[in-house]
Amino acid sequence: DTAVSQTPKYLVTQMGNDKSIKCEQNLGHDTMYWYKQDSKKFLKIMFSYNNKELIINETVPNRFSPKSPDKAHLNLHINSLELGDSAVYFCASSPGTGGLNTEAFFGQGTRLTVV
Amino acid sequence: GEDVEQSLFLSVREGDSSVINCTYTDSSSTYLYWYKQEPGAGLQLLTYIFSNMDMKQDQRLTVLLNKKDKHLSLRIADTQTGDSAIYFCAEEAAGGYNKLIFGAGTRLAVHP
Repeated sequence: DTAVSQTPKYLVTQMGNDKSIKCEQNLGHDTMYWYKQDSKKFLKIMFSYNNKELIINETVPNRFSPKSPDKAHLNLHINSLELGDSAVYFCASSPGTGGLNTEAFFGQGTRLTVV
Repeated sequence: GEDVEQSLFLSVREGDSSVINCTYTDSSSTYLYWYKQEPGAGLQLLTYIFSNMDMKQDQRLTVLLNKKDKHLSLRIADTQTGDSAIYFCAEEAAGGYNKLIFGAGTRLAVHP
């Protein structure tokens, strides 16, 4: 039973389209994250939610909008996709936000290719 | 700002020890982490070290922390072909909320 699951695993779409990536965790964790990994494998945090509230919002274009309907789900919606959005997007969760609660469990990633 | 640096490649022979090095900038980080990413997969937490420790051993893995020099290393004893992966060092950014700052990753190649 997958702990942190993302769908879809692969996404190929044209420039200008709007797409969503879904993430669900069954670990009972309070905190969820979205990370972006570019073609050079650099991994950077985009957003973090704790109990459905946004707590980290890095410098990310406002075309990216996270949505957390409940603490087990954190979806990422991207409007007007651009070529530079091509990357692997990882969802993660952790028990909380302090101390060793910070151990993060990662999903398998969604490879987004914008053509 | 926070920054984590690692060398990008390491090649070792099967059975030898591998040492992956990392330097970080935020001296207030409480925990430092090593994650492993196999091809096409997500990141898997390998081990972590609390900032008041100098060393932590976990089976074939040894983590050394030099807080004065802000240097972290991961030693893998008796490296196997299954250890081939990208290894990421990460520190917690100041301000809490478990914002992890990752290094660029070290690609470990293990050859016979």
